[in-house]
Amino acid sequence: DTAVSQTPKYLVTQMGNDKSIKCEQNLGHDTMYWYKQDSKKFLKIMFSYNNKELIINETVPNRFSPKSPDKAHLNLHINSLELGDSAVYFCASSQGPEDNEQFFGPGTRLTVL
Amino acid sequence: GDSVTQMEGPVTLSEEAFLTINCTYTATGYPSLFWYVQYPGEGLQLLLKATKADDKGSNKGFEATYRKETTSFHLEKGSVQVSDSAVYFCALSPGYSSASKIIFGSGTRLSIRP
Repeated sequence: DTAVSQTPKYLVTQMGNDKSIKCEQNLGHDTMYWYKQDSKKFLKIMFSYNNKELIINETVPNRFSPKSPDKAHLNLHINSLELGDSAVYFCASSQGPEDNEQFFGPGTRLTVL
Repeated sequence: GDSVTQMEGPVTLSEEAFLTINCTYTATGYPSLFWYVQYPGEGLQLLLKATKADDKGSNKGFEATYRKETTSFHLEKGSVQVSDSAVYFCALSPGYSSASKIIFGSGTRLSIRP
């Protein structure tokens, strides 16, 4: 009965590869988010979708492309991975775009070699 | 722009000690304020929140009061336990945005010795 789940939990890959991280929420929420947490634990929002529409797009390289097939899923695809992309990526959801209580997934630790 | 500043860690205390983790913020408008906790190997969990000035958020023995005059939201607990060892994030959600964006502080790692 996990509320927000992400796969995979760990991802190790070579520079230049393309990879995807999947996120699903079973809370019935309309809004989903992707955050990046760097090695110093600093957490920064990347994207937000509401009902499959992009509503927040922070300054993120266009190698990162979110995709929301339905409002319960928000996947993150990363092209041409770079060393600096190594981080923990967290998915989150909230009831609506103005609801500021967010529920986080367990994170995906991405290591680029 | 909006920002959150919290005390540098790590903070190491003995069990049953009193805890304070300082947090101050800069924001336009009337933000909501939060404390999130991240236990080892897990995602963030909302610990407590306050949505307007002078509100006190509380949960699991932790408390924080929204102080507009000092733009602060310090986290306190009277008697910490080993199980409180985690990273604590102060955060705000801007009051002016229709799309809820949470801005996090840099996190404070707390370690409790038995």
